[in-house]
Amino acid sequence: QVHLVQSGAEVKKPGASVKVSCRASGYTFTDYTMHWVRQAPGQRLEWMGWINTNNGDSTYSQKFQGRVTITRDTSANTVYMELSSLRSEDTAVYYCAKKEGSGWNYFDYWGQGTLVTVSS
Amino acid sequence: EIVLTQSPGTLSLSPGERATLSCRASQSVSSDYLAWYQQKPGQAPRLLIYRASSRATGIPDRFSGSGSGADFTLTISRLEPEDFAVYYCQQYGSSRWTFGQGTKVEIK
Repeated sequence: QVHLVQSGAEVKKPGASVKVSCRASGYTFTDYTMHWVRQAPGQRLEWMGWINTNNGDSTYSQKFQGRVTITRDTSANTVYMELSSLRSEDTAVYYCAKKEGSGWNYFDYWGQGTLVTVSS
Repeated sequence: EIVLTQSPGTLSLSPGERATLSCRASQSVSSDYLAWYQQKPGQAPRLLIYRASSRATGIPDRFSGSGSGADFTLTISRLEPEDFAVYYCQQYGSSRWTFGQGTKVEIK
């Protein structure tokens, strides 16, 4: 049974960085890419980027390029998303999402979400 | 970037009624890359439909998806109490993923 378990809620000041983790279980970690999607209050889901869990290569949405870093630790079956230079507009729930492996580009499992609040 | 626009914003219906949700893309989308998700308050999205019309594992057959090109539809044939939620469409294209703004299905 696939499970994605994320780290707990965070409160950060503007300008700081946050690092959210996502621990995967129930499948072969390196066989599937992992993505990050965020949802600001009252807003639509927003794709941030993804990581090839096999070789560690990451690709980011242009909107977050330069501020987001996605990494992984294969020994811990865990993916990390770090967002820097935080501003109030980054207040959102951040989700990790496993992409299916058949090439149809949808997300079949999601983490429970991590609320990041940016406030002075 | 392909923009997905969902309508209506809110659908007020009673249990047992039929729900028809629309997702329109700003340009043509491959139906292979169109998915639908359900989200309940405080929960993560749950995959319902992929490839525009294929139901995900464990999804009841009252949920169906259709469409092609730039117009896609999610239909819930008979609403059950647990179906009242927000529904999002999602597409993949040009190495990025985008979502619609959601349709809330609420109890009338």
